[in-house]
Amino acid sequence: KNEVEQSPQNLTAQEGEFITINCSYSVGISALHWLQQHPGGGIVSLFMLSSGKKKHGRLIATINIQEKHSSLHITASHPRDSAVYICGGSQGNLIFGKGTKLSVKP
Amino acid sequence: DVKVTQSSRYLVKRTGEKVFLECVQDMDHENMFWYRQDPGLGLRLIYFSYDVKMKEKGDIPEGYSVSREKKERFSLILESASTNQTSMYLCASSLGATGGRGYTFGSGTRLTVV
Repeated sequence: KNEVEQSPQNLTAQEGEFITINCSYSVGISALHWLQQHPGGGIVSLFMLSSGKKKHGRLIATINIQEKHSSLHITASHPRDSAVYICGGSQGNLIFGKGTKLSVKP
Repeated sequence: DVKVTQSSRYLVKRTGEKVFLECVQDMDHENMFWYRQDPGLGLRLIYFSYDVKMKEKGDIPEGYSVSREKKERFSLILESASTNQTSMYLCASSLGATGGRGYTFGSGTRLTVV
């Protein structure tokens, strides 16, 4: 059974800081997903990747298949980045980590 | 844009009531999923469906059932609501059988059972 672990659980940063959130999974997956959930509950899919690196604006997601590890980076963080970030590994179904709560202070 | 619409944003029900949570997607996705989200536990899969009239149990199906009579609609049913089913419920859909395509989520239904 696939296990997905995220770290850290909680993260507080100052505006402008570079942020990294980590995700590890225990078995092979077909794709790794990063999701963002703002206060209020709505979830947005940020990235889906199966190899290498993807970039969208200030967000960068990387994955190392051999090490079963992915990272989500936020450059020049802003208070509007405050949200819960969730990673999930799919083997048909999506198994999620417990999420990382990010607070970016002005 | 793909839309996944959940019928209610907030719902309050009494213990023992039968509760229907509805989810509709508009992009002809084969796969639909129901998750619940609880503090400290994250998102957990309740049920999923890969096709009309097909359903599969997820990690925590007890106390729930589902219905998929049409491709675009996936309903989650609480036969007799209990207080431990108070939670945020999220519906998702995806294209592709192996999870290799992006997922689209609904906005969630926050259910309180009193």
